[in-house]
Amino acid sequence: EADIYQTPRYLVIGTGKKITLECSQTMGHDKMYWYQQDPGMELHLIHYSYGVNSTEKGDLSSESTVSRIRTEHFPLTLESARPSHTSQYLCASSAGQGSRGEKLFFGSGTQLSVL
Amino acid sequence: SQQGEEDPQALSIQEGENATMNCSYKTSINNLQWYRQNSGRGLVHLILIRSNEREKHSGRLRVTLDTSKKSSSLLITASRAADTASYFCATCGIGTDKLIFGTGTRLQVFP
Repeated sequence: EADIYQTPRYLVIGTGKKITLECSQTMGHDKMYWYQQDPGMELHLIHYSYGVNSTEKGDLSSESTVSRIRTEHFPLTLESARPSHTSQYLCASSAGQGSRGEKLFFGSGTQLSVL
Repeated sequence: SQQGEEDPQALSIQEGENATMNCSYKTSINNLQWYRQNSGRGLVHLILIRSNEREKHSGRLRVTLDTSKKSSSLLITASRAADTASYFCATCGIGTDKLIFGTGTRLQVFP
């Protein structure tokens, strides 16, 4: 099992609330990622980070923001949640020493439902 | 645009049978990876095959890569009910280290 943890596992909230999805890894990985996945669909990269104080937007536009103040921690924040944000959010990390795309370790995901 | 497309979208077999899933992609790659996802959970890495490799084995898994056809296949031999899951291919393109995931194949193995 990978040492990467996401909380909460499930979150049901009302429209307009601010939420933070937590992701932590204990493997010392520099590279971390957030993917969004709708049921039965492929994963879309929404944010990634190559190290402390490094964050980039992914291929899928997202209204969420991320921060990377510590190597092990990569939280995702939605300032004002809307029903269109309902989805599963998956955090991942990789050792990624080179630039050739090494394997990813995934957390269990956060299933977000916005009413 | 989507890099990987998988075929079939869904597959149902009996325990003991082999399961074959295919992945096609559009651009040149550095490597291709296969992941497994149990319902409502995160993904687990199964195997990575580099662009200069043609075949790789890991336990009951066999992966092939044909770069001329831009396709890969995942074979699970002697399947078990516990193999029931969705299987995704993911490609790493040249000059990037980000993975692009396919649409997945949902495998159901009946006891």
